[in-house]
Amino acid sequence: DTEVTQTPKHLVMGMTNKKSLKCEQHMGHRAMYWYKQKAKKPPELMFVYSYEKLSINESVPSRFSPECPNSSLLNLHLHALQPEDSALYLCASSPGLAGGAPKNIQYFGAGTRLSVL
Amino acid sequence: AQTVTQSQPEMSVQEAETVTLSCTYDTSESDYYLFWYKQPPSRQMILVIRQEAYKQQNATENRFSVNFQKAAKSFSLKISDSQLGDAAMYFCAYRITHTGTASKLTFGTGTRLQVML
Repeated sequence: DTEVTQTPKHLVMGMTNKKSLKCEQHMGHRAMYWYKQKAKKPPELMFVYSYEKLSINESVPSRFSPECPNSSLLNLHLHALQPEDSALYLCASSPGLAGGAPKNIQYFGAGTRLSVL
Repeated sequence: AQTVTQSQPEMSVQEAETVTLSCTYDTSESDYYLFWYKQPPSRQMILVIRQEAYKQQNATENRFSVNFQKAAKSFSLKISDSQLGDAAMYFCAYRITHTGTASKLTFGTGTRLQVML
């Protein structure tokens, strides 16, 4: 099973709303990632968690707040977003180096399509 | 900094024919991995094939194969016997080998492949 599950699939929110995106994997992976993808563009890395600790923050605005409650779950809390934050948000996970560098491949979820009005 | 370039924004191929997608990259590292990911309209990024830079032999996965030219920093993807299900956006991606638990990917800008009947 190489499944990364993201919910919801679609989300529409106003600029004053607070919402959360959820990502789950049950593959025993120890690294989890959030990406933002605009239309016809490649994914842009936002955050990386390694062993439930934030290891990379790509200078993302504070209106995006990641959380990793346990090794299977990754959340992205959204508050006071702007219309330009409308995008596809992808979650990914990778095993970490326990299986060796060749096996440290990222597996992606199907994303949450976010629209900010 | 590493960069990945895909010079073909769009390509088309007849069903059952062969198509080659181009990718070049720039790095000062000697040990790294290269990937081709496919993103169909369903949005999920799917790993198609990967190449380890220290291996001279080109990777193959069924109808997919690569032409890896390390000195030229070129990594093209050949799709043989193209099928309608191959229609997608294809991203070339790079990561260095020893990055700790988390593997940070650098993506190219993508090539949209259309498959014609």
